Amino acid sequence: AQKVTQAQTEISVVEKEDVTLDCVYETRDTTYYLFWYKQPPSGELVFLIRRNSFDEQNEISGRYSWNFQKSTSSFNFTITASQVVDSAVYFCALVSGSARQLTFGSGTQLTVLP
Amino acid sequence: DTAVSQTPKYLVTQMGNDKSIKCEQNLGHDTMYWYKQDSKKFLKIMFSYNNKELIINETVPNRFSPKSPDKAHLNLHINSLELGDSAVYFCASSQGRRDRHFGSGTRLTVV
Repeated sequence: AQKVTQAQTEISVVEKEDVTLDCVYETRDTTYYLFWYKQPPSGELVFLIRRNSFDEQNEISGRYSWNFQKSTSSFNFTITASQVVDSAVYFCALVSGSARQLTFGSGTQLTVLP
Repeated sequence: DTAVSQTPKYLVTQMGNDKSIKCEQNLGHDTMYWYKQDSKKFLKIMFSYNNKELIINETVPNRFSPKSPDKAHLNLHINSLELGDSAVYFCASSQGRRDRHFGSGTRLTVV
């Protein structure tokens, strides 16, 4: 069984603040993939990152960074110097072992205020 | 070119009607999926097809029937629509367990 928990339902920040979105996952498999998706108000699902279980290096892409820690089963996402256009629902997701289904967390609604 | 395209984008229909949502991917992926996103934004897998064979069938009413005529297409047919079927339906594709590429979604409203 696999499970993803995003405990933060909603977060509001003021533009230029840094914000971290938390993601905790559960799986019994040693091989798995973790994902982050962004869903802006327009509704589409935008792929942000995929990380496999054997690669614990943190990743930075512009203002986005991801902190993968197997010891705490977490895959947190930080936006630096947030902008209004970052306002969206962000989903963390997991696929593990031989499972093909992508299990999503419940999402975090991020609102960046001007 | 759109990688995963689904039509229509919006669908408003009356209770009891039958409707279909079409999905096509041009990525050469071997696996396609249907997800449902409810009013609380929760995303849940409904079906998955690998090379035209059904491999995941979650607890979904049998009024929902996926059809995969070939690897590039996975359509969703819904019979006797109910109010509770109102949701956004996303099609997706992947090669094995790699990245899911999602369509833009179909917002179904049953009145």
